[in-house]
Amino acid sequence: QSVLTQPPSVSGAPGQRVTISCTGSSSNIGAGYDVHWYQQLPRTAPRLLIYGNSNRPSGVPDRFSGSKSGTSASLAITGLQAEDEADYYCQSYDSSLSGSVFGGGTKLTVL
Amino acid sequence: EVQLVQSGAEVKKPGESLKISCSGSGYSFTSYWIGWVRQMPGKGLEWMGIIYPGDSDTRYSPSFQGQVTISADKSINTAYLQWSSLKASDTAMYYCARLWFPLSFFDSWGQGTLVTVSS
Repeated sequence: QSVLTQPPSVSGAPGQRVTISCTGSSSNIGAGYDVHWYQQLPRTAPRLLIYGNSNRPSGVPDRFSGSKSGTSASLAITGLQAEDEADYYCQSYDSSLSGSVFGGGTKLTVL
Repeated sequence: EVQLVQSGAEVKKPGESLKISCSGSGYSFTSYWIGWVRQMPGKGLEWMGIIYPGDSDTRYSPSFQGQVTISADKSINTAYLQWSSLKASDTAMYYCARLWFPLSFFDSWGQGTLVTVSS
């Protein structure tokens, strides 16, 4: 059980918008630590998608966006495409663990 | 181009020792933390620990403290993850990744090393 809670799965049709939540606590997201997001396509290594709550590395489409408020963060994907079908993970620092933690991951299915 | 290349898949028996590697290139290896991440079969990512190759400063997740050892040899730009006595529950894919400090996100990842522990 991770200290960062994500829904196990979300789904959407091509072209739609989906959001993935990441809920933490006062020792991680609520303490002001940044949230980062990763995409893991099947049978591949994870890839950085969003860093510092809302910043996209070069090469990441602007269909992907991140936000943070209070003890939670969200990843939004607009204009869903079949290639977006993957697992998505949030990550933040936790002061009670003195280290970073990942969320449990969310499987995105494109219908 | 930043590249992290990990050693190949391993099949070991319970109780055996193992050391897997992660070689960095395309950047100043001693100036960035390197982290290790575990992914058990069909499960999520777990942050194991990080090392700063410049001075070998190492931090472990409480879940992995005492279970593994993270080290680095800056002379050959390589980080390591090792076990002294493997268990079946160590069966997993292990990724190394470069840490961007102080925001603490992983911006480049290795391809992963699959470790299988079975009698």
